Amino acid sequence: EIVLTQSPGTLSLSPGEGVTLSCMASQSVSSSYLAWYQHKPGQAPRLLIYGASSRATGIPDRFSGSGSGTDFTLTINRLEPEDFAVYYCQQYITSPQTFGQGTKLEIK
Amino acid sequence: EVQLLESGGGFVQPGGSLRLSCAASGFTFSSYGMNWVRQAPGKGLEWVAGIRGRDDTTYYADSVKGRFTISRDNSKNTLYLQMNSLRAEDTALYSCAKDRRSGYTYGFSAFDIWGQGTMVTVSS
Repeated sequence: EIVLTQSPGTLSLSPGEGVTLSCMASQSVSSSYLAWYQHKPGQAPRLLIYGASSRATGIPDRFSGSGSGTDFTLTINRLEPEDFAVYYCQQYITSPQTFGQGTKLEIK
Repeated sequence: EVQLLESGGGFVQPGGSLRLSCAASGFTFSSYGMNWVRQAPGKGLEWVAGIRGRDDTTYYADSVKGRFTISRDNSKNTLYLQMNSLRAEDTALYSCAKDRRSGYTYGFSAFDIWGQGTMVTVSS
């Protein structure tokens, strides 16, 4: 099983700031098979990035993904109030598909 | 509009069974792989099971293998999760999720559409 470790666990930031979230895999994940999701309480998770760097339909360009092998990042430029949520990475190259434990972005 | 609507959750005693359903609309259901993902209270997301759209091959997390069965009825545009021998640690919000891509032969897919989920509580 591929274990995904996200850091940091929690970040306190202000609207307008930029942030980079990290996702590290226990073994290499082809860059085509790494996704990022945004999850808000009471809502369904929302796909942001697939294939490590491709934005999903309707996702603003302030969200960007990068990385390869075992190290991946999600960057959010100019945080908007609606961006404060929990973010998960997911690998889907092999079964069981696994999620990271999540990074919570909270308003400072 | 693409939509997924889960049902069938509830309260069950340890060792009991439940069958979850996920009604799909707005897309060609038979062409896409589907998945169940759960979130225990205060915890993160955990993939539970998946079924390919191409050939109905099924996959399971080790934590549910042998106890849960994922299936689909393409004539009813519905995904199912039969859960047997339930344990307290199965308590979670169960959501169905649609594969973003169809017809792939290698690896799997990110999930582009998710339902709101149905809650399962296992307790004596």
